Amino acid sequence: QKEVEQNSGPLSVPEGAIASLNCTYSDRVSQSFFWYRQYSGKSPELIMSIYSNGDKEDGRFTAQLNKASQYVSLLIRDSQPSDSATYLCAVPVTGNQFYFGTGTSLTVIP
Amino acid sequence: GAVVSQHPSWVICKSGTSVKIECRSLDFQATTMFWYRQFPKQSLMLMATSNEGSKATYEQGVEKDKFLINHASLTLSTLTVTSAHPEDSSFYICSAKHRDRGRNGANVLTFGAGSRLTVL
Repeated sequence: QKEVEQNSGPLSVPEGAIASLNCTYSDRVSQSFFWYRQYSGKSPELIMSIYSNGDKEDGRFTAQLNKASQYVSLLIRDSQPSDSATYLCAVPVTGNQFYFGTGTSLTVIP
Repeated sequence: GAVVSQHPSWVICKSGTSVKIECRSLDFQATTMFWYRQFPKQSLMLMATSNEGSKATYEQGVEKDKFLINHASLTLSTLTVTSAHPEDSSFYICSAKHRDRGRNGANVLTFGAGSRLTVL
């Protein structure tokens, strides 16, 4: 089992819809969780962090964390074509390492 | 917010030459930086962990004599691709670990903009 797993997609949603991206992790002691967005040909950029169970909202983005089920999700409301990118889930583990999922490719169709 | 500067953003070189890529943390000190390689439409692949003042830790299958990493200061790590060949052509990305400036203060990564290497 990989340390961080995501559906690779591609995920397509129409403009204005909600895009839902999911991530599961294996290390039960993980305490912090991050979502990065990577546009084609660019490097990843941090868009959300979440540390506590429940929801965290930032504009059109909502991160959801369920430590008991070991999953973290990202919801994008009112999806825009500019949201089309690959979304990476990242989980720091003990020591120096960060584990990244393989990413979910999202396409928002105008 | 935290800023990581990476140079050059793109480089074209002849086969057999060496190329150096710099990664700088501009407004924070980074004891740990990471180097990744990414081929088109593929996932990030961690190459090595760069630790200030000590030797880098390389991932399995990454040749340390080919990909030289130096982290001589708290704000600069360099990756040198020695004797580059066309198969080394890729997108190289660095990241620096630092404290999240939010309430939690957990470790977080900020990425440089990446360096696209083309070896002819």
